Amino acid sequence: NAGVTQTPKFRVLKTGQSMTLLCAQDMNHEYMYWYRQDPGMGLRLIHYSVGEGTTAKGEVPDGYNVSRLKKQNFLLGLESAAPSQTSVYFCASSTGYPPKNIQYFGAGTRLSVL
Amino acid sequence: GIQVEQSPPDLILQEGANSTLRCNFSDSVNNLQWFHQNPWGQLINLFYIPSGTKQNGRLSATTVATERYSLLYISSSQTTDSGVYFCAGDSGGSNYKLTFGKGTLLTVNP
Repeated sequence: NAGVTQTPKFRVLKTGQSMTLLCAQDMNHEYMYWYRQDPGMGLRLIHYSVGEGTTAKGEVPDGYNVSRLKKQNFLLGLESAAPSQTSVYFCASSTGYPPKNIQYFGAGTRLSVL
Repeated sequence: GIQVEQSPPDLILQEGANSTLRCNFSDSVNNLQWFHQNPWGQLINLFYIPSGTKQNGRLSATTVATERYSLLYISSSQTTDSGVYFCAGDSGGSNYKLTFGKGTLLTVNP
């Protein structure tokens, strides 16, 4: 009963380094989302995907790239990390089919950029 | 896009007390959901409630879509209810992008 799994759980980067966050879901969901959560800001959408091979920008996409080569995986990349990208990152997935489009979340990745 | 306002931002209760959390939307929303983020950071979906009233144990939620608000009721609160409560909705379309409020931080003291 894995649901949505995020790896890694924690990471520390130096400014300018790159990394990839992996999100995997085993619920055969079409839609997947990446959010970031900053203190007092709630969750903000970075990028999302409505199906395998598709990606689109959310509210705060700058500095991030994504790929959805397989339906079950959604990757978030930081090409050149900046201190402003220190945050907690959440992945979510949903069926995408109305009327019940509930989003299910992973446990989060805590990223610090020094 | 839509704006989501949650109130109160912070709430401290004694165990056993009842509370009401509110969520206002700037425009009509679809797929309205309530989430609980526990102190370890995990986000759990509590309710999918685009309209009407639902109950799950000590929690219930009511959405009045025509007036663009939703309420989350917590009765007989327990320390395990502590955490942040978020509401979120999308403005329509086929991408189902949720916009989240900033949350209500609930602390339940024993």
